[in-house]
Amino acid sequence: NAGVMQNPRHLVRRRGQEARLRCSPMKGHSHVYWYRQLPEEGLKFMVYLQKENIIDESGMPKERFSAEFPKEGPSILRIQQVVRGDSAAYFCASSPNRAGSGGLNTEAFFGQGTRLTVV
Amino acid sequence: DQQVKQNSPSLSVQEGRISILNCDYTNSMFDYFLWYKKYPAEGPTFLISISSIKDKNEDGRFTVFLNKSAKHLSLHIVPSQPGDSAVYFCAARESGTYKYIFGTGTRLKVLA
Repeated sequence: NAGVMQNPRHLVRRRGQEARLRCSPMKGHSHVYWYRQLPEEGLKFMVYLQKENIIDESGMPKERFSAEFPKEGPSILRIQQVVRGDSAAYFCASSPNRAGSGGLNTEAFFGQGTRLTVV
Repeated sequence: DQQVKQNSPSLSVQEGRISILNCDYTNSMFDYFLWYKKYPAEGPTFLISISSIKDKNEDGRFTVFLNKSAKHLSLHIVPSQPGDSAVYFCAARESGTYKYIFGTGTRLKVLA
């Protein structure tokens, strides 16, 4: 059972370009989370998605950032018109059930991350 | 507003001794707590968790203690090994929500 797969591992973009980060959750997981880690900081929640639905995007910047998790295919985190401050490691995680729904507590499993560098 | 705090950015421990990593939280609605370990250039890996209905959970060398009244949890590693050297993140989840809130991490160095 493959883990959470993120690609690319490293991405370099010039200011003003678009960055697309992909995440394939673990088999059987239908819940995806995106986190951002700035240098020397912790993991900041960005967005939580289920298939075809954004459940919580309270951590997403209001502009330039968007996320989707289509019925088929990976989850995509898209950053338009990147700026230097977007340089960070972006981690995707998945879990097998809806946390807090009354089901079993469960951990989220993380991918290896995509390191975005904006030059 | 940092709801989950790890006030010690780093910790050094001799091999074989106990490592104690601390975490404080402010949100009384958190009901599930987790510890993750992270090596450089890798994603966090789950270590151990605890529900708010418990005050202790043990898994091999790792034990997590939860003090709800103090809003404090700690991770004990006994005995510490050089391979335990990593950044440790504490995380918490609010009841009825879906997001895990992480602390800023503590870098543990186990000296051989």
